[in-house]
Order: sequence, then C-alpha cells, then structure tokens
Amino acid sequence: GDSVTQKQGQVTLSEDDFLFINCTYSTTTYPTLFWYVQYPGQGPQLLLKVTTANNKGISRGFEATYDKGTTSFHLQKASVQESDSAVYFCALLNTGGADRLTFGKGTQLIIQP
Amino acid sequence: NAGVIQTPRHKVTGKGQEATLWCEPISGHSAVFWYRQTIVQGLEFLTYFRNQAPIDDSGMPKERFSAQMPNQSHSTLKIQSTQPQDSAVYLCASSLDNWNTLYFGAGTRLSVL
Repeated sequence: GDSVTQKQGQVTLSEDDFLFINCTYSTTTYPTLFWYVQYPGQGPQLLLKVTTANNKGISRGFEATYDKGTTSFHLQKASVQESDSAVYFCALLNTGGADRLTFGKGTQLIIQP
Repeated sequence: NAGVIQTPRHKVTGKGQEATLWCEPISGHSAVFWYRQTIVQGLEFLTYFRNQAPIDDSGMPKERFSAQMPNQSHSTLKIQSTQPQDSAVYLCASSLDNWNTLYFGAGTRLSVL
C-alpha cells in the first residue's frame, strides 16, 4: 500500500534560519503530494500541493518540490519566523489507487526567538 | 464561513461507555472525512462520505466504530464500549472536490478512563 515517511520528528531553529523538511513516499502510481500545517488547538490546514505535472508549489513563503527519481518531496523556507512554529505534515494522494490521503507522522517545528 | 464545526471539543468517558462525536461540514461541501490523530500513529484515515453516501470505511475498527451522515449538514462518529486505546483526537474534514483540499475541524479530544 501507499506510505509516507517523515523522519524528522522535531526541528528546532532560530528566527531567520533556513527550513528544510523532507518526506519520502512509496506508491505504485503517480501521486499528488501535499503539505499540511497544524497550529496548536487547530486541525491541519493545507499549505501546499505539488503534482507530477508542476513539480513545485509556493505559498506564504514556503516552497515544496518533488523529485520522482528519489520518490521524495520536501518543504523549505528561506527565513523562518516565530509564527511558523507548528507541526508540518506531508501527505500523499494516490490518484490511481486507493482513494485516500495518507499522512506522514509530522514534524514539529520550534522557532526560538 | 465558520469552517468545519466539531462538538464536543473534549469528551471524557469511562471504559465501556458509548461516545458520539458530531461534525458539521462547511456548507456546500460534498465530501466528509473522519481521521484519528495520536502521537504514536499520527493521522489515521477512518472513513469518508461523498454526497452523504459512505464511500470507504476501511480504516474503521469494525466492531465498535460506526459513522453516519443522515443529512448534508452533519455527520456522526459513534464508538461503542470505549476502551482506553480509543483515546485520541478525532478530526473531521470536508471538501468541495474530494481529496484535493481538505478543511479540518479543530477536533474532538476523546479521553477514555
């Protein structure tokens, strides 16, 4: 079945640092890939979507790119702010297989002022 | 637009009691999803409805969990004979176009003592 692996359980940075979070995936067909962000006390909300057609998504200063060769996709931001502190989830939608969104375990981003 | 509304926000039950969780999707959204979130397992898919019809309940523990969507304005998740391992945050989401963008509610935190 489809799976998404997000190895970084927690990342701690200072303001203005560069952020990089990586996910790897396993699927039998061409996926659509997502990044969701969850702030304390809230449900996850969509941050970015990346398809095999465009390979890249940009939103709110975040950029997501996808590498079919290594079956990985990552989230990056040039300069993080304290308000970016949240849990970031990668997710995979297998458009040719089981009709569901499979999430990674999440990466807790802590920004020190 | 109030977003997806989940009630109650917190529920405490004794072992063996029943718990019913409520979800009001965003008006006009045709798909409703239920996920369970724990620290250990992350976000686990439970079930989803499209136009009120159950489409996939393969993530539901079979014996004690059930979900319904009696009308387009609400869905319920019922857990019979709750067990401590059912303790989790139960998240409901709705979408205009199936899986492309899920709008999550804030969740119901279920604690089984």
